[in-house]
Amino acid sequence: DAEITQSPRHKITETGRQVTLACHQTWNHNNMFWYRQDLGHGLRLIHYSYGVQDTNKGEVSDGYSVSRSNTEDLPLTLESAASSQTSVYFCASSDGGYADTQYFGPGTRLTVL
Amino acid sequence: AQTVTQSQPEMSVQEAETVTLSCTYDTSENNYYLFWYKQPPSRQMILVIRQEAYKQQNATENRFSVNFQKAAKSFSLKISDSQLGDTAMYFCAFMTIRDDKIIFGKGTRLHILP
Repeated sequence: DAEITQSPRHKITETGRQVTLACHQTWNHNNMFWYRQDLGHGLRLIHYSYGVQDTNKGEVSDGYSVSRSNTEDLPLTLESAASSQTSVYFCASSDGGYADTQYFGPGTRLTVL
Repeated sequence: AQTVTQSQPEMSVQEAETVTLSCTYDTSENNYYLFWYKQPPSRQMILVIRQEAYKQQNATENRFSVNFQKAAKSFSLKISDSQLGDTAMYFCAFMTIRDDKIIFGKGTRLHILP
């Protein structure tokens, strides 16, 4: 069955380190998204991509970057991790059709000490 | 800018009861989509129901139904015959047809009590 996976599921890192969270989908979806979920804020969009080589900033993009070299993957990189980036991160994908439904990965809990 | 507001941070109901979760949104767009997502303790985000703004008929999925009031910009979720497995955080979400970006509300934590 097609799916969307994230790795690692849990990560602890130190302030200032570079961290990359992986997102992989097997639906061949054009669109991919990264969100962070924090208490009291719901989910907020970090970056998104409408296809290979396309990336766009979302609502809370500072300190994060993404690259899309193929259809299946959209890794999220924290250039220099900060304690404020401790959060749960969700990846999602959609087909890119007429406002198509987004399907979410299982999430990655990141702790920055 | 679009906003989504869920005014009930937390709710509790007895098993088998009916519960309604409220959601209002603000937009100047005429064509858009609305969603309810469920996030159980497993943390997985699960689509519960979806409504196209151009459809007057309210969407229904088994025990889940919505009351979509476009003029009032209201999109409530009704859960009938609630079950223990319905215990979760519920997020209301909005998407315009111009792009596929979703804007989420802050969520309502629903407890179904035995």
